[in-house]
Amino acid sequence: AQKITQTQPGMFVQEKEAVTLDCTYDTSDPSYGLFWYKQPSSGEMIFLIYQGSYDQQNATEGRYSLNFQKARKSANLVISASQLGDSAMYFCAMRGLGSGNTGKLIFGQGTTLQVKP
Amino acid sequence: DTAVSQTPKYLVTQMGNDKSIKCEQNLGHDTMYWYKQDSKKFLKIMFSYNNKELIINETVPNRFSPKSPDKAHLNLHINSLELGDSAVYFCASSQARSGAQYFGPGTRLTVT
Repeated sequence: AQKITQTQPGMFVQEKEAVTLDCTYDTSDPSYGLFWYKQPSSGEMIFLIYQGSYDQQNATEGRYSLNFQKARKSANLVISASQLGDSAMYFCAMRGLGSGNTGKLIFGQGTTLQVKP
Repeated sequence: DTAVSQTPKYLVTQMGNDKSIKCEQNLGHDTMYWYKQDSKKFLKIMFSYNNKELIINETVPNRFSPKSPDKAHLNLHINSLELGDSAVYFCASSQARSGAQYFGPGTRLTVT
């Protein structure tokens, strides 16, 4: 069975500083993908970044980077130079990539990030 | 252009009624999904269709019936609505089952 754990219900960060949102996972799939989504107060789910389990490099997308530590089964999201618009709920998710995978995403509980001016 | 759209955005109805939520994607994706987000913000897969074929049917009451008339559309029909069905329902799509999933804006369903 797959499981995603986000242990930080809420986080604060000062504007322009970097922040790390934690995500640990558990899976028996040898091949899997890890995702981060942002959900602002308006409610939509915004795809941020993806990391494949066999990718050699950590994924980066603009101010977002994924600190992937396979041995520790962690996939933390790092947001650099925080902006007020980064205040939102952030979800870590994973999906198996092997044959027979159905594509369903398993989500963590989410972390609410508040950026202080 | 909206990539994944859902209608309606808000739906308020009484217990026992039947309602539908429509979803359309213009990304050319072949796989579409329905997720439910409960009051604690927990997201869980309900259904998935790949090229109009049902591939995921999680433990969802059979009052919920998805329909995919073509690979760009996935609708959700709910019969005999119950208070516990109140939630936000998200449609999503991806290219194949391995691509990133892109979500619609969500439909907030309130059952009174």
